[in-house]
Amino acid sequence: SQTIHQWPATLVQPVGSPLSLECTVEGTSNPNLYWYRQAAGRGLQLLFYSVGIGQISSEVPQNLSASRPQDRQFILSSKKLLLSDSGFYLCAWSVGGASYEQYFGPGTRLTVT
Amino acid sequence: ELKVEQNPLFLSMQEGKNYTIYCNYSTTSDRLYWYRQDPGKSLESLFVLLSNGAVKQEGRLMASLDTKARLSTLHITAAVHDLSATYFCAGGATNKLIFGTGTLLAVQP
Repeated sequence: SQTIHQWPATLVQPVGSPLSLECTVEGTSNPNLYWYRQAAGRGLQLLFYSVGIGQISSEVPQNLSASRPQDRQFILSSKKLLLSDSGFYLCAWSVGGASYEQYFGPGTRLTVT
Repeated sequence: ELKVEQNPLFLSMQEGKNYTIYCNYSTTSDRLYWYRQDPGKSLESLFVLLSNGAVKQEGRLMASLDTKARLSTLHITAAVHDLSATYFCAGGATNKLIFGTGTLLAVQP
């Protein structure tokens, strides 16, 4: 069966520090991968998605970037965090077929101080 | 661009009562999804609706899709406290989903 992992689970970082969040998927090949952010009490905002290694689509211009160095690995990065980067970061995966249903990882809660 | 709106944003209901959450979307969407999120947790997939008239049921929850009206509903029957959570609908095509703002459901004893 498929499993999605995210780490770290929680993170507290000062403003201006770098960021690296990692997401890995097991049990499937060539998944579509997604990064979402959820601000406190808000809905989900799609940040990036990837349909293959090295292929990244950015949805919202900001100080974040994403990379997909391996088929089942998706990394979210920042060189300098802003206070507004605080939130709950969720990675998700899907495969093709009829539904393109997305399955979400456990999330990383980031607090920028 | 697709926009997805849910209402109500907050719903307080008594155990045993029935209610419906509405999800409207602005343009054609290939499919419609419903997710549940417990406080501090990730999203759990509830339903995937793929065609006009689709209806799916799981326990006390039933979801339906009317593509002509661009409307999906999540109906709650005889609510219980365990259903308290935030419910999201999402629409989209192929790779991308656009989420609604969510409905916070609080079931009171």
